Amino acid sequence: GAGVSQSPRYKVAKRGQDVALRCDPISGHVSLFWYQQALGQGPEFLTYFQNEAQLDKSGLPSDRFFAERPEGSVSTLKIQRTQQEDSAVYLCASSPGTSFNGNEQFFGPGTRLTVL
Amino acid sequence: AQTVTQSQPEMSVQEAETVTLSCTYDTSENNYYLFWYKQPPSRQMILVIRQEAYKQQNATENRFSVNFQKAAKSFSLKISDSQLGDTAMYFCAFPTNFGNEKLTFGTGTRLTIIP
Repeated sequence: GAGVSQSPRYKVAKRGQDVALRCDPISGHVSLFWYQQALGQGPEFLTYFQNEAQLDKSGLPSDRFFAERPEGSVSTLKIQRTQQEDSAVYLCASSPGTSFNGNEQFFGPGTRLTVL
Repeated sequence: AQTVTQSQPEMSVQEAETVTLSCTYDTSENNYYLFWYKQPPSRQMILVIRQEAYKQQNATENRFSVNFQKAAKSFSLKISDSQLGDTAMYFCAFPTNFGNEKLTFGTGTRLTIIP
């Protein structure tokens, strides 16, 4: 079946612009995660959804970052008034259950955001 | 704070040789899972292997195996008979604490398999 997909794959924004990044998880996966991966680093957690409920947004770096998953499927990560430090690859992952119980997270290809 | 440390930023090995990537972590939990993920160049991150901390037997998946030392909080990945397709970034990861969904990742090891 289809894996996790993300769009766009690449996004160039001018500083101050708003961007919206989309994630289509694997059908039926309850859990959805957003991670930010800076160049040469490991992914860092941003936020987590269980169905449509955002249960953890402790990793969002500022109030310019906002995520939603209104119908418990597709998710959108929105960044307002982008800054150069927002440049990174944004990874989406979905999972049928909890990582603490050993469930694998399935990752999308990521969206590479470059803020000029 | 829960941490994951990968002390080898880069490694390279000849094709068909064996290589071990190291990972140490810190947690106050007693039972948990540990994961190794692989991120090939310009490709998606995929799970390589997982280990349940409560199991004494080290996990094995074909050419990939782990050396899990719970007391030392060490979780190394061994790749046997390395292949060109093993060239990738490798990340050690684990759920931060009980009931928490998010994974904490190490900084990664860039592994290059030399033909």
